[in-house]
Parts: sequence; C-alpha cells; structure tokens
Amino acid sequence: SQQGEEDPQALSIQEGENATMNCSYKTSINNLQWYRQNSGRGLVHLILIRSNEREKHSGRLRVTLDTSKKSSSLLITASRAADTASYFCATDQRGSTLGRLYFGRGTQLTVWP
Amino acid sequence: NAGVTQTPKFQVLKTGQSMTLQCAQDMNHNSMYWYRQDPGMGLRLIYYSASEGTTDKGEVPNGYNVSRLNKREFSLRLESAAPSQTSVYFCASTTRTGPNQPQHFGDGTRLSIL
Repeated sequence: SQQGEEDPQALSIQEGENATMNCSYKTSINNLQWYRQNSGRGLVHLILIRSNEREKHSGRLRVTLDTSKKSSSLLITASRAADTASYFCATDQRGSTLGRLYFGRGTQLTVWP
Repeated sequence: NAGVTQTPKFQVLKTGQSMTLQCAQDMNHNSMYWYRQDPGMGLRLIYYSASEGTTDKGEVPNGYNVSRLNKREFSLRLESAAPSQTSVYFCASTTRTGPNQPQHFGDGTRLSIL
C-alpha cells in the first residue's frame, strides 16, 4: 500500500504564482524524495531530503520535512507553464537496505500561461 | 548516456498471451525495480532486484515473473496476460553503494490487454 499521500490531488495556478504540494506518510523514514512526471514520460528525480534535514533548496524548489508530523511539502516558486506535470513523493523506509521506495498517488499541477 | 531503456514502448495483447518487458540500464546500478502505474493509484512495486542474482516480490507480484539477466538487464514476464494487467509499466534503477540515492526511471511500457 502507498506510504505517502499527496495533497491536493490537483492544483491549477497561473504562471508566476507559487505552487505548494504536501505529502504525509506513516512510518519512520531514511529519506523522502520528490519526483516529477510529465505526461507520457517516466518519473524524474527532483530532490531528496534526509530524515535529519528540515529544509532543502534546489533552484526554484524548496522542500521541508517535519518528521514529528510525518509530513513534507514541496514549494515551486515563480511557476512556469513547463512545470505542468504530476508530482510524487516517495519514502525510503527506515531499516530498509534494499532501496525500496513507497510512492503516493501524486498531485497533478497545471500552470496556465 | 541512455540511462534506463525500456522496450517495447507500446504493446497490445489478447487475454492469455504471454510477453516479456525488457529493461536495461547503463549506469552500473546495483538495484533494479519494476512498477506499475494505474490511474489514481500512483506507482506500485511489482518486483525488485537488490543486486545481480537476487529478486524479491513487491506489493503486487501476482501474475508476473522476473529475471535479473545480468547487472544491466531486468526483465518482467507476463505468462498469461489478463485485462487487470492493463497498465503502464516502469523500470527503475539505483545504486546502493551509499545511502540516500534516488531512482532513475525509464519512459515506460504502455500495455493493453484485450
């Protein structure tokens, strides 16, 4: 069963606005990862945040992690039409040495020009 | 680098037919994974191979078999296809030489079972 659950399921914004997506999970983790999937393509890794980190930045992406609440958020600043995609969080569970990830159902982001 | 390559990209089968989905990676990764993606369900793990010579079941292994042919290649076989196996199948790989490594995905195989 899915470990992560994204919220909202769908998000529609105008170019230039910020987009925030949330992820909640159930068990202790080694790290949490965010992936993007463009229509008809495979998933592309965006950013990984370790369990002992609280915030991480990569370009226009900002990820936060609150292990006490078992939640994470992905912020995309100054969004562009090219950011239109599905975004998935995935957790690497603590104690796992096999690299298994548990994916949520994703957030569909639409950015209008 | 090609990364993770999946073949075929599209396939239509009749119920009961068999086929093998191929996956190859050129990144010298240790671990490889097969997922299926259904609308509204996210990705679910079918089988994985932590290293060459080992395979293990994931969340939804029924109706599938896998072979880790060598370090580069990991195939997924449907012995007797069923309409419930209509899905998009993704292969992924990662290195486990250190902790906290991301997975790299192919572009998927879109499979329809009639």
